[in-house]
Amino acid sequence: AQKVTQAQTEISVVEKEDVTLDCVYETRDTTYYLFWYKQPPSGELVFLIRRNSFDEQNEISGRYSWNFQKSTSSFNFTITASQVVDSAVYFCALSVLEYGNKLVFGAGTILRVKS
Amino acid sequence: DVKVTQSSRYLVKRTGEKVFLECVQDMDHENMFWYRQDPGLGLRLIYFSYDVKMKEKGDIPEGYSVSREKKERFSLILESASTNQTSMYLCASSLGWGRDEQFFGPGTRLTVL
Repeated sequence: AQKVTQAQTEISVVEKEDVTLDCVYETRDTTYYLFWYKQPPSGELVFLIRRNSFDEQNEISGRYSWNFQKSTSSFNFTITASQVVDSAVYFCALSVLEYGNKLVFGAGTILRVKS
Repeated sequence: DVKVTQSSRYLVKRTGEKVFLECVQDMDHENMFWYRQDPGLGLRLIYFSYDVKMKEKGDIPEGYSVSREKKERFSLILESASTNQTSMYLCASSLGWGRDEQFFGPGTRLTVL
């Protein structure tokens, strides 16, 4: 079975703090894709990043970075120097062949950044 | 820009009513999806469609049906709305499978009284 766990229900930080959102996944498939989406208060999920199971290279995009570790089945997301505009719900998701390549979402982490 | 639009942002219906939620995408995507979002549960897949007139059940199809008569339009139907269907409904589309990201609409917050 495939599953995504985001253990942090809600995180509150003060602006300029660094924050890491955890994502742990389960699948027996060797070929899969991992995603992060952001859902701002407007409601529309916005795609942030995709990683395939054969590429463990970490990625940095501005203040955002992602750490993919197959050994621990984790795909964590770090925001450096957080800003109020980062306040949103963040979802980690998994797509695997055995599940017909449909997305399985975690429960989401609410991030509140206070000024 | 890919654009996915949903017919209503907020909807209030009464128990037993038939409810239609409409979704339109303008990027000629093959695949379309309907999700339900509830606090603490993330997004759960209700139905999806990979082609016109084709549909597949997701994880929680009970109480719902769908229609896809045109490629750009995917409708979610609640045949007889119940209070436990009060939720946020999100539509999405994607070009392909697996590696392709899904593009989401703004959501419809449905309240069933």
